[in-house]
Amino acid sequence: AQKVTQAQTEISVVEKEDVTLDCVYETRDTTYYLFWYKQPPSGELVFLIRRNSFDEQNEISGRYSWNFQKSTSSFNFTITASQVVDSAVYFCALSPYNQGGKLIFGQGTELSVKP
Amino acid sequence: DSGVTQTPKHLITATGQRVTLRCSPRSGDLSVYWYQQSLDQGLQFLIQYYNGEERAKGNILERFSAQQFPDLHSELNLSSLELGDSALYFCASSLTEQGAKNIQYFGAGTRLSVL
Repeated sequence: AQKVTQAQTEISVVEKEDVTLDCVYETRDTTYYLFWYKQPPSGELVFLIRRNSFDEQNEISGRYSWNFQKSTSSFNFTITASQVVDSAVYFCALSPYNQGGKLIFGQGTELSVKP
Repeated sequence: DSGVTQTPKHLITATGQRVTLRCSPRSGDLSVYWYQQSLDQGLQFLIQYYNGEERAKGNILERFSAQQFPDLHSELNLSSLELGDSALYFCASSLTEQGAKNIQYFGAGTRLSVL
């Protein structure tokens, strides 16, 4: 079975704190892609990052960083020095390579950053 | 702005009715995906079309159907509506058929309320 689990339903932090959003996935495929999307209060889904299953190099983009560990089937997302504008629901998603590109989403983590 | 256009933004209708949701993909994108976001089911993949042909099917009810037209816009038809069909319906598009290789860009969604 293919599945994405985001165990943290809600996280609340104070501005400037660092926060890590956890994502664990299940798949038997050797080739797959992982994504993070952000859904701000306005409702649209915004793409943040894509990684393929062969590239375990961690990535940093400004205040965002991602830690992909195939050995633990995890693809965690860290926001450094969080800001109020980071408040949103964050979704981790899995795309198996030979299934037409459908995204299998986790349940999402609602991040609230308070001033 | 993702470049994916969905209309209408909001739709209120009654049980038993039929509605049509419309999606225009980003310029140059050939693949269109439909997703449903509800409180109990989360974000679920419904169906994918590539250049006018159905490519992948997910948890789409028989009362729902979709198509992609020669100009690449897509419509999702929902019939015999039930209260449980109330949800946010997203359309996404990507460049090629193999969505796992290409990022899916999402529209702002159509919020359907069935009363």
